[in-house]
Amino acid sequence: SQKIEQNSEALNIQEGKTATLTCNYTNYSPAYLQWYRQDPGRGPVFLLLIRENEKEKRKERLKVTFDTTLKQSLFHITASQPADSATYLCALADNAGNNRKLIWGLGTSLAVNP
Amino acid sequence: GAGVSQSPRYKVAKRGQDVALRCDPISGHVSLFWYQQALGQGPEFLTYFQNEAQLDKSGLPSDRFFAERPEGSVSTLKIQRTQQEDSAVYLCASSLAGGGRTQYFGPGTRLLVL
Repeated sequence: SQKIEQNSEALNIQEGKTATLTCNYTNYSPAYLQWYRQDPGRGPVFLLLIRENEKEKRKERLKVTFDTTLKQSLFHITASQPADSATYLCALADNAGNNRKLIWGLGTSLAVNP
Repeated sequence: GAGVSQSPRYKVAKRGQDVALRCDPISGHVSLFWYQQALGQGPEFLTYFQNEAQLDKSGLPSDRFFAERPEGSVSTLKIQRTQQEDSAVYLCASSLAGGGRTQYFGPGTRLLVL
């Protein structure tokens, strides 16, 4: 069956450390994968997009990797800050289907402690 | 500039009542998406418009759900004869072009069916 899995447990880290979040997928062929941030009571906010032929993407303190052999994307926040506390969602667009439609993971809750 | 807006932000409905949820996308955005998000879950795709054309409605859970975008800008999601299982946050997103790339989300409408 097709599925997208993210760290099910909340991640608690100390300010200044690097947070690493995982997104694994099964039986999809992603055209690209996106990471979003969602705060309580708000809609998701786009962070980064990585295409199937890219290995790594960076934006300021954020880094995303994409390994199509492992069927995994990792999302890193370096020098984390309490303001980074939120839920982080991965979403993929499937080549095999209608790639306008994003398929979402459940999200991982990150808490950065001061 | 203005982002995606949704109204109402909160809606309480009695079981069996009809509801209408409105989405104002970012001006000029061709694509519009509706998602349903249950508590602690990722967004689930409902339907997609390109301009006024509804190109994909495969995610609508039943024929009680209906969406329209008659002039290619504002969209309305209508739920007839609401049931308790319809309780969720309904998110609207728009993007500049088709292809499901960066999507800009509204704050959502939280629907509670009693």
